[in-house]
Amino acid sequence: AQTVTQSQPEMSVQEAETVTLSCTYDTSESDYYLFWYKQPPSRQMILVIRQEAYKQQNATENRFSVNFQKAAKSFSLKISDSQLGDAAMYFCAYPPTQGGSEKLVFGKGTKLTVNP
Amino acid sequence: DTGVSQNPRHKITKRGQNVTFRCDPISEHNRLYWYRQTLGQGPEFLTYFQNEAQLEKSRLLSDRFSAERPKGSFSTLEIQRTEQGDSAMYLCASSLNSGGAETQYFGPGTRLLVL
Repeated sequence: AQTVTQSQPEMSVQEAETVTLSCTYDTSESDYYLFWYKQPPSRQMILVIRQEAYKQQNATENRFSVNFQKAAKSFSLKISDSQLGDAAMYFCAYPPTQGGSEKLVFGKGTKLTVNP
Repeated sequence: DTGVSQNPRHKITKRGQNVTFRCDPISEHNRLYWYRQTLGQGPEFLTYFQNEAQLEKSRLLSDRFSAERPKGSFSTLEIQRTEQGDSAMYLCASSLNSGGAETQYFGPGTRLLVL
């Protein structure tokens, strides 16, 4: 079964510091996409960052960047200069099949707390 | 572009009743997905549409669940004879499938509580 594993149920970080959330996945595909979504308390899920597996370069979006290790099937999210508004559940996800339905398989999430 | 919207945002019902949820996707998006999220878990796929065609259903989608997207725009998800185990957040997402990378955009969800 294709799975996504987020091994850190909870993480905390001090405001302005850096935190890394881990994610591993299992796929037999060679070309695929990976996603990090953020779900603030009682608010909707929003896309944080996306990585194309065929790209060597790690994706970056402002304070958010990924460390993508294709051979290790690892896709971690680094948040720099953490802000109070970053507090949320973070989900790693990918579509196990390409070319048809791109339904997403999600990890169980990591709850991030940002301490002032 | 107002994003993906879902109604109602909250629904409380008694066991055995039928409920219907609506999702309005981003207007130009041709794909629409339904997911279910229980407490402490990530979303799980239920079903998806490309335009008006329902192309895949998860084994999670029992015969009490039915979804439609009649004109390829909004979608409804109906649960008949609700059970307490149906209590969850029901999320809708839409995307534009144009042969390249596809990103799903989520609505705020409908939180269902079955008493």
